[in-house]
Amino acid sequence: KAGVTQTPRYLIKTRGQQVTLSCSPISGHRSVSWYQQTPGQGLQFLFEYFSETQRNKGNFPGRFSGRQFSNSRSEMNVSTLELGDSALYLCASSLWGDTEAFFGQGTRLTVV
Amino acid sequence: QKEVEQNSGPLSVPEGAIASLNCTYSDRGSQSFFWYRQYSGKSPELIMSIYSNGDKEDGRFTAQLNKASQYVSLLIRDSQPSDSATYLCAVKILNAGNMLTFGGGTRLMVKP
Repeated sequence: KAGVTQTPRYLIKTRGQQVTLSCSPISGHRSVSWYQQTPGQGLQFLFEYFSETQRNKGNFPGRFSGRQFSNSRSEMNVSTLELGDSALYLCASSLWGDTEAFFGQGTRLTVV
Repeated sequence: QKEVEQNSGPLSVPEGAIASLNCTYSDRGSQSFFWYRQYSGKSPELIMSIYSNGDKEDGRFTAQLNKASQYVSLLIRDSQPSDSATYLCAVKILNAGNMLTFGGGTRLMVKP
């Protein structure tokens, strides 16, 4: 059974640019959550999508956005990149409701 | 005050010993508890979930939950050098979907 797939694995962007990250959940999983991990702040929740609807949102600026497609694949977008956006972005997939979450390999974003 | 607290470590134990990792949480609405293992440069891997008070065992791992004391722990028996990693405690709150709140993690070092 395939796991959670995130693409790309690595990205280098320039300040002011925008970036789109992709996440394909485990087959049959309908919930996709996104997290940002940095050495200083640890793992922080960005948002969750369930059945194409944003169900929860963390405390991040509006530059961070996401969406989910009918096949449960999700994308997150960061506009007007800042140096502080450099982080490991992780996607987690859950079956539905209150169940265990499984992480993808992550996308390492570096903003220069 | 952080919502989920862990001692950052490092916690150093000899090979074959029991490693005890602790986590406290502040929100009494917390209902689901998870332990993830994260190797350096990798994404978090789910190793245990626990939902009710008491102990839950899976192989060398035992999770313990005490909701009255707002405390969850992870015991690793017969620790191996391959167990050396950062262990993340995560909590889900009732009616918050699949949003996970993470502690800062405890770095475990198992010395041969």
